[in-house]
Amino acid sequence: GAVVSQHPSWVICKSGTSVKIECRSLDFQATTMFWYRQFPKQSLMLMATSNEGSKATYEQGVEKDKFLINHASLTLSTLTVTSAHPEDSSFYICSARDPARGKETQYFGPGTRLLVL
Amino acid sequence: DQQVKQNSPSLSVQEGRISILNCDYTNSMFDYFLWYKKYPAEGPTFLISISSIKDKNEDGRFTVFLNKSAKHLSLHIVPSQPGDSAVYFCAASGRSGGSNYKLTFGKGTLLTVNP
Repeated sequence: GAVVSQHPSWVICKSGTSVKIECRSLDFQATTMFWYRQFPKQSLMLMATSNEGSKATYEQGVEKDKFLINHASLTLSTLTVTSAHPEDSSFYICSARDPARGKETQYFGPGTRLLVL
Repeated sequence: DQQVKQNSPSLSVQEGRISILNCDYTNSMFDYFLWYKKYPAEGPTFLISISSIKDKNEDGRFTVFLNKSAKHLSLHIVPSQPGDSAVYFCAASGRSGGSNYKLTFGKGTLLTVNP
């Protein structure tokens, strides 16, 4: 139980294009999802918290106009990296909280590797 | 300012022995702690957690100990198996003025279990 999927698993794009990453909770409804990014040999850094039906809450230093988050349903949140540049290349991971399993534990997707050329 | 610290970037253990992974935190508002295991190019997998009202939680080969006065927790894996080789992240959670419980992660410790 508590399975989270992400699509795509990897993407290569040209500088200036936009990339959309999907995060789905497969066997539970997630009112809250989280988006992280991880640079090589670094920790997971929270980018934003996504609540179903409302605007996302962004962490300090994260540009909300560049990283668009939409949480349109209880099982789907999307992250769109707009006008991507090489410095946006990273490993993006989403997580979701299953209310039935406690409010603190987050279950993570497999991640999306983004390479911007 | 790093609120969750894993001071050992790596740990090497012999198969069958105990692995002890350590984590320190500075924010006394944290009230829930979690350990995640992560393989390269994959998302973290939840292992075990502990509430601040407890000092020990056990699940199979995994035991987490919490010392609140020292702001320290540890993950014990016994017996260690080669399949346990991965990066282990310590994470802490505390209510931050709303209903969302955000996780703050340490930098991780790479555990290598040698056959």
